[in-house]
Amino acid sequence: DQQVKQNSPSLSVQEGRISILNCDYTNSMFDYFLWYKKYPAEGPTFLISISSIKDKNEDGRFTVFLNKSAKHLSLHIVPSQPGDSAVYFCAASDYTNAGKSTFGDGTTLTVKP
Amino acid sequence: NAGVTQTPKFRILKIGQSMTLQCTQDMNHNYMYWYRQDPGMGLKLIYYSVGAGITDKGEVPNGYNVSRSTTEDFPLRLELAAPSQTSVYFCASSPTEGGTQYFGPGTRLLVL
Repeated sequence: DQQVKQNSPSLSVQEGRISILNCDYTNSMFDYFLWYKKYPAEGPTFLISISSIKDKNEDGRFTVFLNKSAKHLSLHIVPSQPGDSAVYFCAASDYTNAGKSTFGDGTTLTVKP
Repeated sequence: NAGVTQTPKFRILKIGQSMTLQCTQDMNHNYMYWYRQDPGMGLKLIYYSVGAGITDKGEVPNGYNVSRSTTEDFPLRLELAAPSQTSVYFCASSPTEGGTQYFGPGTRLLVL
């Protein structure tokens, strides 16, 4: 049973447009959500996070939205740039489980010039 | 400040061989993690540690062992390599429980 799901393996957008990456979760005990970005042959790097007490967090071009009732979060990138092309992982952590993070399978974003 | 370093970058093992994947962090983080990533998949937690001397199993611990004798080092041991252990292994550390994790560059392992 996969507790964190990213249903779109890939997404392609034009430079300057909005990229929306989605993530669904099933465990209602998750209380902290993170997005990581990964380039080929590198380790993931932290991008943005959101606590379960908020519904939105913004950092420059990146905004994460959390809908707890739907158990859904999304990452918006505006405007998208070619350098944003990477794999994006959604992760969720559970304070009752030693704070361990559960990762989705990732979405490969391609931003076309 | 090097962050999280992993060695080797790439290794080919024969079935039945053993090896240790090294992981070191210089950020004085208490929490450390080992993950594996199979093609097209997410990160699966193998083992984790909440501090020196304390380790626990993650989601996929079979075939692996860890130790944490210092805050800085968290080596992962493969005793009898199997083709199913072909993967990319990432080590990560975090200053807080459940918080942002800082990843190393990964070790690509091929078992033939």
